[in-house]
Amino acid sequence: EPEVTQTPSHQVTQMGQEVILRCVPISNHLYFYWYRQILGQKVEFLVSFYNNEISEKSEIFDDQFSVERPDGSNFTLKIRSTKLEDSAMYFCASSPPPGYYNEQFFGPGTRLTVL
Amino acid sequence: KQEVTQIPAALSVPEGENLVLNCSFTDSAIYNLQWFRQDPGKGLTSLLLIQSSQREQTSGRLNASLDKSSGRSTLYIAASQPGDSATYLCAVPFNMLTFGGGTRLMVKP
Repeated sequence: EPEVTQTPSHQVTQMGQEVILRCVPISNHLYFYWYRQILGQKVEFLVSFYNNEISEKSEIFDDQFSVERPDGSNFTLKIRSTKLEDSAMYFCASSPPPGYYNEQFFGPGTRLTVL
Repeated sequence: KQEVTQIPAALSVPEGENLVLNCSFTDSAIYNLQWFRQDPGKGLTSLLLIQSSQREQTSGRLNASLDKSSGRSTLYIAASQPGDSATYLCAVPFNMLTFGGGTRLMVKP
């Protein structure tokens, strides 16, 4: 069964460093998302991406964050200068057409630890 | 702004019990509602997607109901097993998925 994959599973970085989290969505899906979950808190939406552009973003997704689909399979989240409060589990998700109201499938997550 | 609430926050039951997990949402203009399972430190596994036009959706021992007008969904787990122990999350799409805080379920053998 097709699934969303994410790498790395765990990333440790120093405050101020740049990190790139990688995701491979399910191949025929057209909508891609990033969410995060700070330990003990709710899962929060960061950004959605469709047709090579951002379609929605939350107030968390500030100028430190960017997303890219560099080729036909990968979808990346870049955090330019990490802060301690960026420590969280980051989930990638994808959904088939027709849109965000279709079922979303999540990857296993990348645990980001900022020291 | 959509707010999603789940009650109870935690539940501990003996094996074999039938369970009801509750989810409420403030804006009833939803397309669907999705239930997920999350094991500790792991990702989210989609359990059921119930469309706004449906009242119920079933998968094995799981049954989800949706009452849009009252802003509620319930997840019914029949004959619970220790392997059902996990956190159960509901989420509604409102431009993006908005999640509840989850119900942490422990089923004791």
